[in-house]
Amino acid sequence: QSALTQPGSVSGSPGQSITISCTGSSNDIGAYNYVSWYQQHPGKAPKLMIYDVTKRPSGVSNRFSGSKSGNTASLTISGLQAEDEADYYCSSYTTSSTLVFGGGTKLTVL
Amino acid sequence: QVQLQESGPGLVKPSQTLSLTCTVSGGSVSSGAYYWSWIRQHPGEGLEWIGYIYYTGSTYYNPALKSRVIISVDTSKNQFSLKLNSLTVADTAVYYCAKTGLGGVPAVLWGQGIPVTVSP
Repeated sequence: QSALTQPGSVSGSPGQSITISCTGSSNDIGAYNYVSWYQQHPGKAPKLMIYDVTKRPSGVSNRFSGSKSGNTASLTISGLQAEDEADYYCSSYTTSSTLVFGGGTKLTVL
Repeated sequence: QVQLQESGPGLVKPSQTLSLTCTVSGGSVSSGAYYWSWIRQHPGEGLEWIGYIYYTGSTYYNPALKSRVIISVDTSKNQFSLKLNSLTVADTAVYYCAKTGLGGVPAVLWGQGIPVTVSP
């Protein structure tokens, strides 16, 4: 299985919105509404931010939202804040009942 | 409140077998509402899914690691474990255990991670 494709880095200023894309195939992202997004700060374990494409776990800010079109999923962060600076990873369930991650995107808040 | 804690050796030699355990507290591995997963992260790199197990013992593995991996669950100790054999330096990574939901298997709760170095 191939890793999902994410941009290596994105940046934005405080208060702005940014979107991170995650591209897969018809065997993963395109097959189900089972895309998750994780935030990871340096030296910390990842934290689930979005699951099932659009759902937010309890306690996650509504500034984080997810969407999907075809084989590409997206994470949007609105009202960018300094603490949003982190690495973000997408993952998808696959038609083989396995999981695949994206390569990660480094978000810089300018 | 559920917590996960990885344990095991921090240094292993090439060709040996890595054995890690994840102890679940505040919850039960026998809960039918979750899978239990292992995920690793090579130094400075992204996340790699290793596999997950249901309390019944059903397992699902990353095809790239499947020939070297065994994940098991011990409901009496409320633990699940990872064994990875034929180690090479490329297996050096931080290993995380995670509580994962059904359906799309989102990792809803992570352990703190345990760094493992494979070196002669």
